[in-house]
Amino acid sequence: GAVVSQHPSWVICKSGTSVKIECRSLDFQATTMFWYRQFPKQSLMLMATSNEGSKATYEQGVEKDKFLINHASLTLSTLTVTSAHPEDSSFYICSARVLAGVLNEQFFGPGTRLTVL
Amino acid sequence: RKEVEQDPGPFNVPEGATVAFNCTYSNSASQSFFWYRQDCRKEPKLLMSVYSSGNEDGRFTAQLNRASQYISLLIRDSKLSDSATYLCAVMPSARQLTFGSGTQLTVLP
Repeated sequence: GAVVSQHPSWVICKSGTSVKIECRSLDFQATTMFWYRQFPKQSLMLMATSNEGSKATYEQGVEKDKFLINHASLTLSTLTVTSAHPEDSSFYICSARVLAGVLNEQFFGPGTRLTVL
Repeated sequence: RKEVEQDPGPFNVPEGATVAFNCTYSNSASQSFFWYRQDCRKEPKLLMSVYSSGNEDGRFTAQLNRASQYISLLIRDSKLSDSATYLCAVMPSARQLTFGSGTQLTVLP
């Protein structure tokens, strides 16, 4: 299957700082990428849909000014958690969608574990 | 009502047992259905897509019941390595996936 990478795989930061997470599709072009957040023992919650060259679409309850998404190319989307606080500590996972004929599948990155002290 | 509901478990079964998970969805217009496996502190990995006619992949069988709006996953002859969290996912349209909360499975020796 297609490969999606994320960087960094884990990050620890102080409260109030900003953290940028990169999501790359390595062997295919992804016009759409998705950002999820997962708290311990909970499911993946979609935060936003990132479309190349346009503004991201945020899910209800997700602050767009706090979670900045940029999808500047067909292989890269970034999520910046601005002014991070301890409650933002979570597992952030991106995915990229492949649409090819009848194939409609999402491939997930390995996730980024964010800990805000 | 949640869009996708799953029994969180945990399911603790002995090796060799058969175990089944169900997942219900609320949007009758949903088009695509999947089962993902997620190991602890890892990303979800696609286990299998679910087709209307049902499909089987080795020890794993997935079924879809559109009338009752549920999908199921059956694991036969469970192995220790099957221990994981199993997430069902539904795609309401050609949009994003909506995940269930996951069912935790532990296969015991």
